[in-house]
Amino acid sequence: EVQVVESGGGLVKPGGSLRLSCAASGFTFTNAWMTWARQAPGKGLEWVGRIKSKTDGGTTEYAAAVKGRFTISSDDSKNTLYLQMNSLKTEDTAVYYCATMSHGSPDPWGPGTLVTVSS
Amino acid sequence: DIQMTQSPSSLSASVGDRVTITCRASQGIRNDLAWYQQKPGKAPKRLIYAASSLQSGVPSRFSGSGSGTEFTLTISSLQPEDFATYYCLQHNSYPRTFGQGTKVEIK
Repeated sequence: EVQVVESGGGLVKPGGSLRLSCAASGFTFTNAWMTWARQAPGKGLEWVGRIKSKTDGGTTEYAAAVKGRFTISSDDSKNTLYLQMNSLKTEDTAVYYCATMSHGSPDPWGPGTLVTVSS
Repeated sequence: DIQMTQSPSSLSASVGDRVTITCRASQGIRNDLAWYQQKPGKAPKRLIYAASSLQSGVPSRFSGSGSGTEFTLTISSLQPEDFATYYCLQHNSYPRTFGQGTKVEIK
């Protein structure tokens, strides 16, 4: 069964950093393109970014709201995706989801991890 | 950036009703569109990919259509478990963008 599970969320002060992890299983991670998305409390879904598989170049794309502050990476030896978040702002408070991709769009998604940015 | 305008933002319907949700793209996106269902406190679940292909395991009362700039998600006969929020997502160009969501409520 294809499965992804996020971890690493928590409470962080504005200007702080946090690294989220996404553990993948049930598929060949080395060939997978992966996505991060988020959802602020009571709001809609927002795409954060994507990383191609290393076999496809390993390049990344980001939403304008996080570009320069967030970095997506992966460790194929651990079947794990990461989201390094720096210079966090209160507006980054959200549930963060990771997903693998098939047919061009994210699926399936993990259960999410909550990040709260507050002083 | 491609803007995805989803309508309506909410609707009230009864069990057995036919429900249609629309997404309009600000520029052509071929058929690079997916539809998701999200229930409170849960992760989104993909229903439709490539605008009209039914995700494995999803009931056949869900269907998608459209290409270019106009897309629809149709639920042919609304069931109690279908009360949720629905989102479209374009994956034609970066940044990927979601519609604002449509909350389907019980009438």
